[in-house]
Amino acid sequence: AQSVAQPEDQVNVAEGNPLTVKCTYSVSGNPYLFWYVQYPNRGLQFLLKYITGDNLVKGSYGFEAEFNKSQTSFHLKKPSALVSDSALYFCAVRDMPDDYKLSFGAGTTVTVRA
Amino acid sequence: EAQVTQNPRYLITVTGKKLTVTCSQNMNHEYMSWYRQDPGLGLRQIYYSMNVEVTDKGDVPEGYKVSRKEKRNFPLILESPSPNQTSLYFCASSPTSAEQFFGPGTRLTVL
Repeated sequence: AQSVAQPEDQVNVAEGNPLTVKCTYSVSGNPYLFWYVQYPNRGLQFLLKYITGDNLVKGSYGFEAEFNKSQTSFHLKKPSALVSDSALYFCAVRDMPDDYKLSFGAGTTVTVRA
Repeated sequence: EAQVTQNPRYLITVTGKKLTVTCSQNMNHEYMSWYRQDPGLGLRQIYYSMNVEVTDKGDVPEGYKVSRKEKRNFPLILESPSPNQTSLYFCASSPTSAEQFFGPGTRLTVL
């Protein structure tokens, strides 16, 4: 069975500092990995994905993530956080290309202080 | 505008009263899915559909039904709602195994 863990419920950073949101996964096959963001009272928005290829994936709003197969991790990063990045972030995984079941982590609340 | 729409956005109902939450997408996507979001649990998949007349259970299907008679619509049916189904529900669609587009959510309260 596939699963995702986001070990931190909350991440607090100062504006301008680097931001990292951690994600680890467990799959039996090859993972498709995704990051989504949810702003207050909004639906989820897609940030980036890893399917295959380069381990460093760049996405929307200056975010990037690094796929690490040996550590089964897919951490989300932003070099310089903005107050507007404050939101709820979800990591998600799909086990195989043909498996349409998508599992989400519990989410990490990011607060960027001015 | 490409979008996923859900109706109603807010619903308060009583235990046992059947309800349907509609979901529609205008992007001609094959894949559609329903999730519920609960604090501390993230999003959990209820049902998904790979195409018309093809549906399958997600992680928490108990107490829910779905149907996919048309490509654009994927309604979620609660035949006999119970208070533990009080939650925030999201519908999503995607062309294949790519990223999903989410609807705005339906906040359901079952008394």
